[in-house]
Amino acid sequence: DTAVSQTPKYLVTQMGNDKSIKCEQNLGHDTMYWYKQDSKKFLKIMFSYNNKELIINETVPNRFSPKSPDKAHLNLHINSLELGDSAVYFCASSHPGGQFFGPGTRLTVL
Amino acid sequence: GENVEQHPSTLSVQEGDSAVIKCTYSDSASNYFPWYKQELGKRPQLIIDIRSNVGEKKDQRIAVTLNKTAKHFSLHITETQPEDSAVYFCAASKNNFNKFYFGSGTKLNVKP
Repeated sequence: DTAVSQTPKYLVTQMGNDKSIKCEQNLGHDTMYWYKQDSKKFLKIMFSYNNKELIINETVPNRFSPKSPDKAHLNLHINSLELGDSAVYFCASSHPGGQFFGPGTRLTVL
Repeated sequence: GENVEQHPSTLSVQEGDSAVIKCTYSDSASNYFPWYKQELGKRPQLIIDIRSNVGEKKDQRIAVTLNKTAKHFSLHITETQPEDSAVYFCAASKNNFNKFYFGSGTKLNVKP
């Protein structure tokens, strides 16, 4: 299956914990992204990477640290989780034919 | 930077009617305009896109129009069906695809 995949699908954790979300795409795309979708459904870009290089960082707190070990993977590590981090996080990748999203990770911080 | 505005925020139509969702953008350098459909609990899915060298594009019941001078683009869905019910997002990007600017979404409800 050619796709953008991310794990885990659900993540429930306590405030102050550290957690990671993994993303992989086997579409051969050069650019990958992380988006945050809040309860009002706004899709807000957090980061974009092109060929493992960070190109966009949208004033995201430095508790969020993306890592791209190769151009097919873009992981997101979040330190010291806060209640306001609760949201659905989408990974995406793109090529000139369009942008494609992963299935999302619903993060709930208690 | 780019600012994409989308209207209406909610739209309710009767099955079989047409639905139109409109977006405006501010950066004249934007040249790629995709539309996404997001069903409840699912990922946004690309349904149609248009580039700035084209004024209109159709794919079966959906079409997108672009007016570069006025900096607005619209999604048209004809003969709506209940399965068209979803949240629709417009977006704008430049050729390098480094960043996509999304509209705030339109919740479309098609009543059977």
